[in-house]
Amino acid sequence: DGGITQSPKYLFRKEGQNVTLSCEQNLNHDAMYWYRQDPGQGLRLIYYSQIVNDFQKGDIAEGYSVSREKKESFPLTVTSAQKNPTAFYLCASKVEGNSPLHFGNGTRLTVT
Amino acid sequence: AQRVTQPEKLLSVFKGAPVELKCNYSYSGSPELFWYVQYSRQRLQLLLRHISRESIKGFTADLNKGETSFHLKKPFAQEEDSAMYYCALRESGGYNKLIFGAGTRLAVHP
Repeated sequence: DGGITQSPKYLFRKEGQNVTLSCEQNLNHDAMYWYRQDPGQGLRLIYYSQIVNDFQKGDIAEGYSVSREKKESFPLTVTSAQKNPTAFYLCASKVEGNSPLHFGNGTRLTVT
Repeated sequence: AQRVTQPEKLLSVFKGAPVELKCNYSYSGSPELFWYVQYSRQRLQLLLRHISRESIKGFTADLNKGETSFHLKKPFAQEEDSAMYYCALRESGGYNKLIFGAGTRLAVHP
């Protein structure tokens, strides 16, 4: 069953702790993306990666970090520097060119 | 700066009524526009894209470059159309980033 898998579905952390969200895809897609979804603000791009070992900052990268060591994996770390980390995080991927994004089911992170 | 605006947070209609979800954009180049939909408890998925000029689930959207709009329309709404709808613009060249609007929740009542 091909697709994008985000885990876990719900994540709870204490303030000041770093936390890593997993995103794995078996679609053989080159490009992968992390978005943050907040009520009333839609989806905002955090980081994206076109190929392995390459990634670029999106519009709200501060307080986040990523790695792309394997084509199928694009983990997102929410660091303690992120001032408002509680949100719903969506991972997406696509093939090269003008193809649509395929989204995962998302991870809801709550930091208290 | 590139921007996608969806002015309505919520659109509430009765079954069988026409629906128009508004989307305006600002972009200096030649835009490529999309509508994505998120049904309850499902993942975000592509509904349609302007270059395809297709009708999906009865929805259509026409790119109006003069008005910089890409409104989503359906002549007769169904209850199963209730969902969150996002308009998105792809920047041409470079990394092909997708820029999303804030989204409009469509509620279709029986």
